Amino acid sequence: KAGVTQTPRYLIKTRGQQVTLSCSPISGHRSVSWYQQTPGQGLQFLFEYFSETQRNKGNFPGRFSGRQFSNSRSEMNVSTLELGDSALYLCASSFGGELFFGEGSRLTVL
Amino acid sequence: KNEVEQSPQNLTAQEGEFITINCSYSVGISALHWLQQHPGGGIVSLFMLSSGKKKHGRLIATINIQEKHSSLHITASHPRDSAVYICAVSSTQGGSEKLVFGKGTKLTVNP
Repeated sequence: KAGVTQTPRYLIKTRGQQVTLSCSPISGHRSVSWYQQTPGQGLQFLFEYFSETQRNKGNFPGRFSGRQFSNSRSEMNVSTLELGDSALYLCASSFGGELFFGEGSRLTVL
Repeated sequence: KNEVEQSPQNLTAQEGEFITINCSYSVGISALHWLQQHPGGGIVSLFMLSSGKKKHGRLIATINIQEKHSSLHITASHPRDSAVYICAVSSTQGGSEKLVFGKGTKLTVNP
Protein backbone atom coordinates (compact mmCIF):
# COMPACT_ATOMS: atom_id res chain seq x y z
CA LYS A 1 0.00 0.00 0.00
CA ALA A 2 1.44 3.38 -0.96
CA GLY A 3 2.05 5.85 1.84
CA VAL A 4 1.01 9.46 2.11
CA THR A 5 2.41 11.47 -0.79
CA GLN A 6 3.07 15.19 -0.61
CA THR A 7 4.05 17.42 -3.50
CA PRO A 8 6.11 19.40 -4.09
CA ARG A 9 8.82 18.37 -1.64
CA TYR A 10 10.66 21.67 -1.84
CA LEU A 11 9.67 25.08 -3.11
CA ILE A 12 10.85 28.66 -2.94
CA LYS A 13 8.48 31.61 -3.16
CA THR A 14 8.74 35.33 -2.59
CA ARG A 15 6.72 37.48 -0.22
CA GLY A 16 3.24 38.26 -1.47
CA GLN A 17 2.97 35.19 -3.69
CA GLN A 18 0.65 32.31 -3.02
CA VAL A 19 1.37 28.60 -2.83
CA THR A 20 -0.63 25.40 -3.16
CA LEU A 21 0.53 22.13 -1.60
CA SER A 22 -0.93 18.74 -2.37
CA CYS A 23 -1.44 15.64 -0.24
CA SER A 24 -2.58 12.22 -1.41
CA PRO A 25 -3.62 10.04 1.54
CA ILE A 26 -3.31 6.30 1.91
CA SER A 27 -5.98 4.55 -0.11
CA GLY A 28 -9.14 4.18 1.95
CA HIS A 29 -8.28 6.93 4.42
CA ARG A 30 -10.89 9.68 4.43
CA SER A 31 -9.33 11.99 7.01
CA VAL A 32 -6.48 14.31 6.06
CA SER A 33 -4.91 16.80 8.43
CA TRP A 34 -2.28 19.47 7.87
CA TYR A 35 0.48 20.75 10.15
CA GLN A 36 3.10 23.48 10.10
CA GLN A 37 6.52 22.87 11.65
CA THR A 38 8.95 25.71 12.35
CA PRO A 39 12.07 25.79 14.55
CA GLY A 40 10.49 28.39 16.82
CA GLN A 41 6.94 27.12 17.22
CA GLY A 42 7.42 23.41 16.62
CA LEU A 43 4.51 21.47 15.17
CA GLN A 44 1.15 23.22 14.96
CA PHE A 45 -2.18 21.92 13.74
CA LEU A 46 -3.63 23.74 10.73
CA PHE A 47 -6.85 21.93 9.82
CA GLU A 48 -8.45 18.57 9.23
CA TYR A 49 -10.72 17.42 6.42
CA PHE A 50 -13.01 14.43 6.37
CA SER A 51 -15.15 13.47 3.39
CA GLU A 52 -14.58 16.84 1.70
CA THR A 53 -15.61 18.84 4.80
CA GLN A 54 -13.35 20.81 7.11
CA ARG A 55 -13.94 19.16 10.44
CA ASN A 56 -11.45 20.97 12.69
CA LYS A 57 -9.33 24.09 12.43
CA GLY A 58 -6.29 25.41 14.28
CA ASN A 59 -5.42 28.99 15.14
CA PHE A 60 -4.07 30.26 11.84
CA PRO A 61 -5.11 33.35 9.85
CA GLY A 62 -7.50 33.15 6.93
CA ARG A 63 -4.56 33.24 4.50
CA PHE A 64 -4.27 29.53 5.22
CA SER A 65 -6.98 27.50 3.57
CA GLY A 66 -7.55 24.01 2.33
CA ARG A 67 -9.90 21.69 0.61
CA GLN A 68 -10.47 18.01 0.05
CA PHE A 69 -11.63 16.34 -3.11
CA SER A 70 -13.97 13.39 -3.56
CA ASN A 71 -10.98 11.03 -3.92
CA SER A 72 -9.76 12.24 -0.48
CA ARG A 73 -6.76 14.08 -1.94
CA SER A 74 -6.28 17.38 -0.20
CA GLU A 75 -4.69 20.71 -1.02
CA MET A 76 -3.71 23.57 1.20
CA ASN A 77 -3.20 27.10 0.01
CA VAL A 78 -1.34 29.98 1.58
CA SER A 79 -2.00 33.39 0.08
CA THR A 80 0.00 36.60 0.43
CA LEU A 81 3.05 34.75 1.71
CA GLU A 82 5.06 36.20 4.57
CA LEU A 83 8.63 35.42 5.60
CA GLY A 84 7.28 33.70 8.70
CA ASP A 85 5.42 31.18 6.56
CA SER A 86 8.73 29.48 5.79
CA ALA A 87 8.26 26.04 7.29
CA LEU A 88 7.87 22.34 6.75
CA TYR A 89 4.24 21.59 5.95
CA LEU A 90 3.18 18.07 6.82
CA CYS A 91 0.01 16.25 6.07
CA ALA A 92 -1.25 13.08 7.65
CA SER A 93 -4.02 10.70 6.79
CA SER A 94 -5.68 8.75 9.54
CA PHE A 95 -7.70 5.65 10.06
CA GLY A 96 -9.13 4.73 13.43
CA GLY A 97 -7.30 7.69 14.94
CA GLU A 98 -3.83 6.45 13.98
CA LEU A 99 -1.80 8.98 11.99
CA PHE A 100 0.29 8.34 8.89
CA PHE A 101 2.47 11.26 7.87
CA GLY A 102 3.86 12.29 4.52
CA GLU A 103 7.46 13.44 4.07
CA GLY A 104 6.40 17.08 4.02
CA SER A 105 6.72 20.07 1.73
CA ARG A 106 9.50 22.47 2.70
CA LEU A 107 8.52 26.03 1.82
CA THR A 108 11.04 28.86 1.82
CA VAL A 109 9.73 32.41 1.49
CA LEU A 110 12.28 35.01 0.38
CA LYS B 1 2.81 27.45 30.00
CA ASN B 2 2.51 25.00 27.10
CA GLU B 3 -0.41 22.61 27.17
CA VAL B 4 1.97 19.73 26.47
CA GLU B 5 5.34 19.61 28.22
CA GLN B 6 8.07 17.11 27.43
CA SER B 7 11.21 16.30 29.35
CA PRO B 8 14.06 16.17 28.87
CA GLN B 9 14.56 18.45 25.85
CA ASN B 10 17.80 16.70 24.96
CA LEU B 11 19.02 13.27 25.93
CA THR B 12 22.30 11.54 25.17
CA ALA B 13 22.70 7.86 25.95
CA GLN B 14 25.12 5.04 25.36
CA GLU B 15 24.05 2.09 23.26
CA GLY B 16 22.21 -0.45 25.37
CA GLU B 17 20.90 2.00 27.98
CA PHE B 18 17.26 2.16 29.09
CA ILE B 19 15.69 5.47 28.10
CA THR B 20 12.63 7.29 29.41
CA ILE B 21 10.99 10.35 27.88
CA ASN B 22 8.19 12.05 29.78
CA CYS B 23 5.13 13.98 28.65
CA SER B 24 2.72 15.95 30.83
CA TYR B 25 -0.39 17.70 29.60
CA SER B 26 -2.85 20.13 31.12
CA VAL B 27 -5.93 19.68 28.93
CA GLY B 28 -8.58 17.01 28.63
CA ILE B 29 -7.67 14.54 25.94
CA SER B 30 -9.26 11.79 23.90
CA ALA B 31 -5.92 10.24 22.94
CA LEU B 32 -2.17 10.71 23.22
CA HIS B 33 0.30 10.05 20.43
CA TRP B 34 4.02 9.37 20.48
CA LEU B 35 5.75 10.31 17.24
CA GLN B 36 9.31 9.83 15.97
CA GLN B 37 10.97 12.30 13.60
CA HIS B 38 14.29 11.60 11.93
CA PRO B 39 16.52 14.26 10.34
CA GLY B 40 14.99 15.21 7.00
CA GLY B 41 11.54 15.62 8.47
CA GLY B 42 9.62 12.36 8.07
CA ILE B 43 7.38 11.57 11.05
CA VAL B 44 6.34 8.09 12.09
CA SER B 45 3.56 7.40 14.56
CA LEU B 46 4.83 5.05 17.27
CA PHE B 47 1.82 4.76 19.57
CA MET B 48 -1.68 6.04 20.09
CA LEU B 49 -2.89 5.65 23.68
CA SER B 50 -6.03 6.45 25.57
CA SER B 51 -5.29 4.33 28.64
CA GLY B 52 -2.86 1.82 30.08
CA LYS B 53 0.24 0.60 28.32
CA LYS B 54 1.33 -0.48 24.84
CA LYS B 55 4.47 -2.30 23.72
CA HIS B 56 6.01 -2.62 20.29
CA GLY B 57 9.38 -4.31 20.09
CA ARG B 58 11.80 -2.38 22.32
CA LEU B 59 9.39 0.52 22.77
CA ILE B 60 6.88 0.81 25.60
CA ALA B 61 4.40 3.64 26.13
CA THR B 62 2.33 4.23 29.24
CA ILE B 63 -0.30 6.76 30.16
CA ASN B 64 -1.82 7.80 33.49
CA ILE B 65 -5.03 9.67 32.75
CA GLN B 66 -5.57 10.81 36.36
CA GLU B 67 -2.07 12.31 36.59
CA LYS B 68 -2.14 13.59 32.97
CA HIS B 69 1.21 12.00 32.29
CA SER B 70 2.69 9.63 29.74
CA SER B 71 6.09 8.03 29.35
CA LEU B 72 7.90 6.52 26.39
CA HIS B 73 10.52 3.92 27.25
CA ILE B 74 13.17 2.48 24.96
CA THR B 75 14.90 -0.67 26.14
CA ALA B 76 18.36 -1.68 24.90
CA SER B 77 18.77 1.59 22.99
CA HIS B 78 20.58 1.58 19.65
CA PRO B 79 22.13 4.37 17.54
CA ARG B 80 19.29 3.99 15.02
CA ASP B 81 16.90 5.17 17.79
CA SER B 82 18.52 8.61 17.50
CA ALA B 83 15.69 10.94 16.52
CA VAL B 84 13.33 13.55 17.91
CA TYR B 85 10.44 12.06 19.88
CA ILE B 86 7.28 14.14 20.01
CA CYS B 87 4.29 13.78 22.29
CA ALA B 88 0.94 15.02 20.96
CA VAL B 89 -2.53 15.03 22.49
CA SER B 90 -5.92 15.05 20.78
CA SER B 91 -7.87 17.74 22.56
CA THR B 92 -11.26 19.36 22.01
CA GLN B 93 -11.07 23.13 22.35
CA GLY B 94 -13.76 25.59 21.35
CA GLY B 95 -15.81 22.82 19.78
CA SER B 96 -12.92 21.78 17.54
CA GLU B 97 -10.72 18.73 18.05
CA LYS B 98 -7.09 19.25 17.27
CA LEU B 99 -3.66 17.84 17.96
CA VAL B 100 -1.49 19.80 20.37
CA PHE B 101 2.21 18.98 20.26
CA GLY B 102 5.05 19.05 22.73
CA LYS B 103 8.34 20.63 21.72
CA GLY B 104 10.02 17.26 21.30
CA THR B 105 12.91 15.40 22.90
CA LYS B 106 16.06 15.05 20.85
CA LEU B 107 17.63 11.65 21.58
CA THR B 108 21.17 10.79 20.60
CA VAL B 109 22.38 7.23 21.18
CA ASN B 110 26.13 6.79 20.87
CA PRO B 111 27.72 3.46 19.94
